[in-house]
Amino acid sequence: KAGVTQTPRYLIKTRGQQVTLSCSPISGHRSVSWYQQTPGQGLQFLFEYFSETQRNKGNFPGRFSGRQFSNSRSEMNVSTLELGDSALYLCASSGGSADTQYFGPGTRLTVL
Amino acid sequence: EDQVTQSPEALRLQEGESSSLNCSYTVSGLRGLFWYRQDPGKGPEFLFTLYSAGEEKEKERLKATLTKKESFLHITAPKPEDSATYLCAVLGIGGGSNYKLTFGKGTLLTVNP
Repeated sequence: KAGVTQTPRYLIKTRGQQVTLSCSPISGHRSVSWYQQTPGQGLQFLFEYFSETQRNKGNFPGRFSGRQFSNSRSEMNVSTLELGDSALYLCASSGGSADTQYFGPGTRLTVL
Repeated sequence: EDQVTQSPEALRLQEGESSSLNCSYTVSGLRGLFWYRQDPGKGPEFLFTLYSAGEEKEKERLKATLTKKESFLHITAPKPEDSATYLCAVLGIGGGSNYKLTFGKGTLLTVNP
């Protein structure tokens, strides 16, 4: 069974730009969660989507948004990038909100 | 709000030297406690899920245990390939209405040959 895939794996952007990251969950999984990982803050929850609906949201500004498609694939968008947005962005999928989450390899975003 | 604290932040062991990592937590409506392993530049790899106090799970040289306030990851006779960051997370309501996974900051384990 194929695991969670994320594209692209690496991104370099400049301040003020916007970026879209993509996540394909494990086949059959309907829940997709997004996390930001930085050395200082660790893994922080961004939001969770289930059946195309956002079910939970972390404490991040509105510049961070997401969506989920009917095939459970998800995208995350960050607008007006700031230097502090440089991080590893991780996507995880599960069968449901209360099930074990399996992570993708992440997208390394660098903001210059 | 759910909280997870892992200790120590870093641990250096000699090959074969057994030890334990600690994860203490406060959570609303605990659904499960999870252990993950993360190698540099990669996503976390799932290891164990524990659901109730007294539960234990084992996998090769790793054994996870759970009490009402903390979990331990015991590493028996570690090898250099066990070197990684070990992350603990709790799945709880966290003051909201939907489950959310809250992570600790991890323990960086280095096993020297």
